[in-house]
Amino acid sequence: EPEVTQTPSHQVTQMGQEVILRCVPISNHLYFYWYRQILGQKVEFLVSFYNNEISEKSEIFDDQFSVERPDGSNFTLKIRSTKLEDSAMYFCASSEQELGTDTQYFGPGTRLTVL
Amino acid sequence: AQSVTQLGSHVSVSEGALVLLRCNYSSSVPPYLFWYVQYPNQGLQLLLKYTTGATLVKGINGFEAEFKKSETSFHLTKPSAHMSDAAEYFCAVSAPSGGYQKVTFGIGTKLQVIP
Repeated sequence: EPEVTQTPSHQVTQMGQEVILRCVPISNHLYFYWYRQILGQKVEFLVSFYNNEISEKSEIFDDQFSVERPDGSNFTLKIRSTKLEDSAMYFCASSEQELGTDTQYFGPGTRLTVL
Repeated sequence: AQSVTQLGSHVSVSEGALVLLRCNYSSSVPPYLFWYVQYPNQGLQLLLKYTTGATLVKGINGFEAEFKKSETSFHLTKPSAHMSDAAEYFCAVSAPSGGYQKVTFGIGTKLQVIP
């Protein structure tokens, strides 16, 4: 069964450093998403991406964050200058169609630890 | 704005007993509603979803949920709990704000199944 994959599974970085979290969505999917889950808290929407542009973003997704689909398979989330409060589990998701008519499939997550 | 409230961050049931996980939503427009399950160190897996049509929806692993507009609820049930059901369950809502691209999650309910 096709699945969303994410690398790395765990990333440790120093405060102020840039990190790039990578995701490979399911191959025929057109909509891509990032979510994060701070330890002990709920899953929060960050951004959705379609047709090579951001379609929606939350207030969390400030100028420190960016997303990119650099090639036909990868979807990345970049945090330019990490802060302690960026420590969280980051989930990538994808769907073939718009969310209402299709299902989001989530990856296993990348645990980001900022020291 | 849309929101989800899950009553009970921890629920314990005996094996074979009824599982009832409560979810209430708030949305200014007809919502799409979801239940996701998260097993330890894994991503989010869709259990079931309601978009339109029949208000009682059946999902995987014997779970079902009923959309009750008058009560703004979407409670998750399973007639008989199994040990493998122990996990964290998230209720989520999506509503049009540019195309149903944003999903708002509840804080989650950890289900413990006692043998």
